[in-house]
Amino acid sequence: EIVLTQSPGTLSLSPGERATLSCRASQSVSSSFLAWYQQKPGQAPRLLISGASSRATGIPDRFSGSGSGTDFTLTISRLEPEDFAVYYCQQYGSSPPMYTFGQGTKLEIK
Amino acid sequence: EVQLVESGGRLVQPGGSLRLSCAASGFTFGNYAMSWVRQAPGRGLEWVSAVSGSGHNTHYADSMKARFTISRENSKNTLYLQINGLRAEDTAVYYCAKGGAEFDHWGQGTLVTVSS
Repeated sequence: EIVLTQSPGTLSLSPGERATLSCRASQSVSSSFLAWYQQKPGQAPRLLISGASSRATGIPDRFSGSGSGTDFTLTISRLEPEDFAVYYCQQYGSSPPMYTFGQGTKLEIK
Repeated sequence: EVQLVESGGRLVQPGGSLRLSCAASGFTFGNYAMSWVRQAPGRGLEWVSAVSGSGHNTHYADSMKARFTISRENSKNTLYLQINGLRAEDTAVYYCAKGGAEFDHWGQGTLVTVSS
C-alpha cells in the first residue's frame, strides 16, 4: 500500500507570499493519478489539480502542480486571503482500485 | 450543475447499523464511478469504498471490507453505503464523491456519530 507523506504539517505565510507544499509517496506513483484538494473549515474538499499538474475547472492559475515518481509539489504563487486552508494530496492505484490521501498540510496566516 | 446530497447520518449506538444515501443530479450518473470518503472529527480524509458506474464492481479500503457495503441504484441516481457493527471509531462525516482517478465533485457530507 502506498503511503503519502505531506510536508510541512503546518505552513505559516502572509498574503502575497509564495507557498510550496510537498507530497512524497512511499513508492512511485503514476503522474496521471496524483491529485490535490483544498478544504476549508466546515466545507467539503475541492479538487484543485489532477494528473499532477492539470488545474481543475475554475481553479485560478496561481495554483500549479508539478512532480513525478515519488515527489510532487503544489505551488500557490501569490497567496490570497481565501487560500488559507488545509491541502491534501491523493493518489489512485488501479490494481486493485484504491485511493490514498496524504495527512494534509494546514496553510495558515502568519 | 453537478449536485451530490448525502443523507442518513445520525446518532447510533455501538453495534448498530446505518444506511447512508447520496442523491446525484446534473450529470449522467450511471456513466461515473462513485466513492465514499470519510473524515473523523479534526482528522484527515480516508477513502472508504468505490463502485463502478454499472455497479458491478466494488472496492473497499482493507479496513472497511468486513462491515461496509457500497451499492448504487442508477434508475434513482442514488449511491448507498451500508455500515454494520458500528464502532466509536466510525464517527465521522461521510462524503460521497464523483470520479474515477480523482474526485471532481463532493457532497456536503452527512455526520455519523457512534455513541451510547
